[in-house]
Amino acid sequence: GENVEQHPSTLSVQEGDSAVIKCTYSDSASNYFPWYKQELGKRPQLIIDIRSNVGEKKDQRIAVTLNKTAKHFSLHITETQPEDSAVYFCAASPFSGGYQKVTFGTGTKLQVIP
Amino acid sequence: GAGVSQSPRYKVAKRGQDVALRCDPISGHVSLFWYQQALGQGPEFLTYFQNEAQLDKSGLPSDRFFAERPEGSVSTLKIQRTQQEDSAVYLCASSLGRGGPGEQYFGPGTRLTVT
Repeated sequence: GENVEQHPSTLSVQEGDSAVIKCTYSDSASNYFPWYKQELGKRPQLIIDIRSNVGEKKDQRIAVTLNKTAKHFSLHITETQPEDSAVYFCAASPFSGGYQKVTFGTGTKLQVIP
Repeated sequence: GAGVSQSPRYKVAKRGQDVALRCDPISGHVSLFWYQQALGQGPEFLTYFQNEAQLDKSGLPSDRFFAERPEGSVSTLKIQRTQQEDSAVYLCASSLGRGGPGEQYFGPGTRLTVT
């Protein structure tokens, strides 16, 4: 089955700096890579996702890059703000026949220091 | 519209008791997933339904865990003879399930504490 590794487990940045979270996956059949943000005591919420047919996707201050050859993908948050503080999970999923089994990484706790 | 809801939000069970956790997915969502999230960890896959069919239950940790979705909408995760290691947050998620991979919408979770 799929195995997703995520680094670092914790990350502290000054407000306004950039944050980068990196993930690797093992299953070459994975073709969908979502990123979820989970605030303390809340449900995970999708912040951005990327499919395997593109190498990069950007949405305002958030961008994700994907290297299918190396089986790694990264989340980049620029101009960080205190409200970006949360746990971020990367995930990988093969999608076939309507079935999408998502395997999550272990999470990165991001702290943005005002 | 309404999102995914789960009940109860919190459940305390004595070891050996049976519990039932309910999930109401977004109306019209074909796919429904159950995850177990231990403290400080990512969600771990338990089982997947496409409409009423349980297509994958490979993540269920033991035969004490059972899930159903008899009419293709509401789902129930049942844990029999609860053990302390079952203490976790149980998350339900639903997705449209058509037209390619897409966002899974999570419920608020049920925090199960087994004493």
